[in-house]
Amino acid sequence: DTGVSQNPRHKITKRGQNVTFRCDPISEHNRLYWYRQTLGQGPEFLTYFQNEAQLEKSRLLSDRFSAERPKGSFSTLEIQRTEQGDSAMYLCASSFGLGGYTFGSGTRLTVV
Amino acid sequence: GQQLNQSPQSMFIQEGEDVSMNCTSSSIFNTWLWYKQDPGEGPVLLIALYKAGELTSNGRLTAQFGITRKDSFLNISASIPSDVGIYFCAGQTYNNNDMRFGAGTRLTVKP
Repeated sequence: DTGVSQNPRHKITKRGQNVTFRCDPISEHNRLYWYRQTLGQGPEFLTYFQNEAQLEKSRLLSDRFSAERPKGSFSTLEIQRTEQGDSAMYLCASSFGLGGYTFGSGTRLTVV
Repeated sequence: GQQLNQSPQSMFIQEGEDVSMNCTSSSIFNTWLWYKQDPGEGPVLLIALYKAGELTSNGRLTAQFGITRKDSFLNISASIPSDVGIYFCAGQTYNNNDMRFGAGTRLTVKP
């Protein structure tokens, strides 16, 4: 068990570019979550998968954001036409059922 | 936005002192959790509470799930320098698949 792995750890992109982040959850965990965290705030929920099904999306997840978990294992989060307001830490977490999540180390996105 | 009110926002204490922080909500939660986050890392689970009134310890950490299910507190006894970080409370209901976080308490421990 290597924990939740996120790649890349850091991403700097120009405004208007597309970016994609990857999350590899703990292998036996069926639930996977994406959160966004800005400076001085707690993590905010974006979306949730149970196996390969995306079951819930936050209103924070605009049309420019899309997440997939094609085989119920790893997940990707894509942001199209990035804006400066997208700069944040993007956290992935996984769990087996309800209860405490295990978070990854996050991907810090900076849009310049 | 955040639904949990966490206080204090920050604390500066001397090594060896005890610390107390709390979290309140206008909503009822079925699970309360406390996480610690170090700079550049994701939050790490410290304590999970599943029943109203439950008092749970993890080493020098003690947390309680409020009777009303709308609050929780975390105590750290005999603080040490490695306790430095941001502590987040989080609440979860059976109906929601997501977890709501407070804005965090930033703890600084002076040696």
